[in-house]
Amino acid sequence: QTVVTQEPSLTVSPGGTVTLTCASSTGAVTSGYYPNWFQQKPGQAPRALIYSASNKHSWTPARFSGSLLGGKAALTLSGVQPEDEAEYYCRLYNSGVWVFGGGTKLTVL
Amino acid sequence: QVQLVQSGTEVKKPGASVKVSCKTSGYTFTSYGITWVRQAPGQGTEWMGWISTYDGNTNYAQKFQGRITMTTDTSTSTAYMELRSLRSDDTAVYYCARDHDFNMDVWGQGTTVTVSS
Repeated sequence: QTVVTQEPSLTVSPGGTVTLTCASSTGAVTSGYYPNWFQQKPGQAPRALIYSASNKHSWTPARFSGSLLGGKAALTLSGVQPEDEAEYYCRLYNSGVWVFGGGTKLTVL
Repeated sequence: QVQLVQSGTEVKKPGASVKVSCKTSGYTFTSYGITWVRQAPGQGTEWMGWISTYDGNTNYAQKFQGRITMTTDTSTSTAYMELRSLRSDDTAVYYCARDHDFNMDVWGQGTTVTVSS
């Protein structure tokens, strides 16, 4: 059973830059894992941000970007805003199944 | 606009079944698959499976095999997820989402299912 690992929590200052990562227990994350990233605020459904590692949805703010970095999927927020405080989840595709990471709680302080 | 609207809160006893609906609008139903996931209290997000709205093919997470059935009704553009033999650890918020080409883009609002005796 694949395990997908994210940082449990990160803190960033307003206007700063932060990178969240998403690692797979099976090895390096490649484009074939089709990484997706989601944002979830308390009491709300998740909202999609990134698909296939780096593609944005029409509603994804420009300050969010996705990439593959050092064998992991990465989500970078540049110029963080207070409203970016949320839980962020990634999901990876492997051998016909999807696995979600445990989520990263991002605090903007 | 694209919308996925799920059925309401459910309270079930252990051993019962629950069937959650996901009514879609704003796009061609059969052009996008539907994924179901759940979030248990204090837990992360768990992928339950996917159904093709085009031909009804399904792909279930091994954990739920034998206990889950996903179906669709193309006449009403609605997807369904039935989970049987409910246990207390099935207590969670269940979500449907549109999913096509490895892109899970629009989500339903979630359905809370509580399993308690």
